[in-house]
Amino acid sequence: RKEVEQDPGPFNVPEGATVAFNCTYSNSASQSFFWYRQDCRKEPKLLMSVYSSGNEDGRFTAQLNRASQYISLLIRDSKLSDSATYLCVVGSMEYGNKLVFGAGTILRVKS
Amino acid sequence: DAGVIQSPRHEVTEMGQEVTLRCKPISGHNSLFWYRQTMMRGLELLIYFNNNVPIDDSGMPEDRFSAKMPNASFSTLKIQPSEPRDSAVYFCASSSRVWGGWVDTQYFGPGTRLTVL
Repeated sequence: RKEVEQDPGPFNVPEGATVAFNCTYSNSASQSFFWYRQDCRKEPKLLMSVYSSGNEDGRFTAQLNRASQYISLLIRDSKLSDSATYLCVVGSMEYGNKLVFGAGTILRVKS
Repeated sequence: DAGVIQSPRHEVTEMGQEVTLRCKPISGHNSLFWYRQTMMRGLELLIYFNNNVPIDDSGMPEDRFSAKMPNASFSTLKIQPSEPRDSAVYFCASSSRVWGGWVDTQYFGPGTRLTVL
């Protein structure tokens, strides 16, 4: 079983739609959670950290469910510029300073 | 503040040649990571350093790969001899130390796109 699993997609949605991605992780001792975004031929960039209480940044909302060991990302009012690969990322003291990256979910927003 | 700096941005070389990739982490960060990304295998961690010391090199594919971090502001990843299957994008990332269980986020450089002919 992979340490971090994501649906690879692609998710094809129209502009203005709401789309949600889920991610599951296997290490129950994980303490740090992030969503990264990677554009084609670019480096991964931090989109947002995920806190136990959930957090929101504009059109983006992240949730953490420790009991079920999954993380979600909700994007409202999708824009063409949201088209990218979204990487679920998990960290744990057991890994030292390492982060474990999921394979990513591809989002394509179309006009 | 300057982000993670990598050079060169693109490298085209012939099989058998030595390749050296360079990375300057964000000032004040004490962890440095080397990744490789391909369409087939995704993002793979090759090696990482804490305070200039290699901690985990289990991702280094074979003896042809080596990495050094002589000081807090510079690291190299060397491939010798290079092979066509080494063609990939190589990313360097840096982060702060772990505090109280929270593993800090990593900041990536723009990557080096390596093509081995």
